[in-house]
Amino acid sequence: GAVVSQHPSRVICKSGTSVKIECRSLDFQATTMFWYRQFPKKSLMLMATSNEGSKATYEQGVEKDKFLINHASLTLSTLTVTSAHPEDSSFYICSAPLGGGTEAFFGQGTRLTVV
Amino acid sequence: GEDVEQSLFLSVREGDSSVINCTYTDSSSTYLYWYKQEPGAGLQLLTYIFSNMDMKQDQRLTVLLNKKDKHLSLRIADTQTGDSAIYFCAIASSSNTGKLIFGQGTTLQVKP
Repeated sequence: GAVVSQHPSRVICKSGTSVKIECRSLDFQATTMFWYRQFPKKSLMLMATSNEGSKATYEQGVEKDKFLINHASLTLSTLTVTSAHPEDSSFYICSAPLGGGTEAFFGQGTRLTVV
Repeated sequence: GEDVEQSLFLSVREGDSSVINCTYTDSSSTYLYWYKQEPGAGLQLLTYIFSNMDMKQDQRLTVLLNKKDKHLSLRIADTQTGDSAIYFCAIASSSNTGKLIFGQGTTLQVKP
């Protein structure tokens, strides 16, 4: 199947700093990518839709100034957690749909710990 | 809005069949998915079914879809300890652009 690579897989940062997470589609182009957040023992919550060449679309309740999304190319989307706080600690996963959206492939996730 | 519900936990013995159930509210979903997540890992697509199908079988996996009752199930035959994981049911949103709505996930525990 198609491959989506997410980097880094784990990151620990200090409160107040910013962290950038990358999501790359390795063998296909993705004009749209999705960013999810997963709380411990919880389902995945869609945070935002990343659109190549235009602004991201954020879900209700997600602060766009805190979670900056940039879709720089057809194979790369980045999520930057700005001024991180301990409550931002979570598992962040990106996905990219293939073709007409039949299948969505997920990155391996990023475990963010803010101390 | 769209909603997907799953039971949270299932425990089976190795060699038995596992059945994980899912109900959803959005009847316009074209595709319905099952994902597997192992501890600390991302999501692995196990299988998906098109909404005009009733059943899909892929080796040990059987997906059953009852559109009338908006019920989806995943059956794992001859369950192995390596099948222990969290299984997520997901539906494509009505806009069908790759955006998925997930259930809470069912933790499958396989006892030797």
